[in-house]
Amino acid sequence: VQLVESGGGLVQPGKSLKLSCSASGFTFSSYGMHWIRQAPGKGLDWVAYISSSSGTVYADAVKGRFTISRDNAKNTLYLQLNSLKSEDTAIYYCAREGSSTGDYWGQGVMVTVSS
Amino acid sequence: DIVMTQGALPNPVPSGESVSITCRSSKSLLYSDGKTYLNWYLQRPGQSPQLLIYWMSTRASGVSDRFSGSGSGTDFTLTINPVQADDIATYYCQQSRESPWTFGGGTKLELK
Repeated sequence: VQLVESGGGLVQPGKSLKLSCSASGFTFSSYGMHWIRQAPGKGLDWVAYISSSSGTVYADAVKGRFTISRDNAKNTLYLQLNSLKSEDTAIYYCAREGSSTGDYWGQGVMVTVSS
Repeated sequence: DIVMTQGALPNPVPSGESVSITCRSSKSLLYSDGKTYLNWYLQRPGQSPQLLIYWMSTRASGVSDRFSGSGSGTDFTLTINPVQADDIATYYCQQSRESPWTFGGGTKLELK
């Protein structure tokens, strides 16, 4: 199982960014997937979930601003981040939902929101 | 939302000792299927989190039997026995009983 995030970077407040998570080593379409973030020096903070049938759930802090999606043909998970705020600055991890919320995690991608 | 509260450790801990990390949830994590949806993760410095324990007491694949999980519906313990140098990390409990999925604040383990 391998999960590789990409798409992070430095972005100004109010702007947008799209993260990707490329999955391999398992049948991607059969698993729910999560995005979980970690602000610098802080703990883990769940962001969003998409089921194998593409049902979605969001944390209140990102609802209406972030969109989780998946492309099973490309074995890729996405997170569209709009109207970014400084408090969205964090490492963003994708994680596979197995017997737990995250039985496998990616290496993470850094998003910095600053002017 | 379910609030997860973790206890602190009396750091630093002597290598070779037994260490217990506590976690409490604001609501029972016991589900109608008989499983308790409490997970433990460790995160070494500069690395991604990795799963240690799920369903309160089931070790994830490849996890050393030095790690064990126990508890009730709302009070949980991760025990490391004996603790080794490679265990230096921050440990997180997390509930997957219901959304939003929530984590404890983390417990840092330092060795003497």
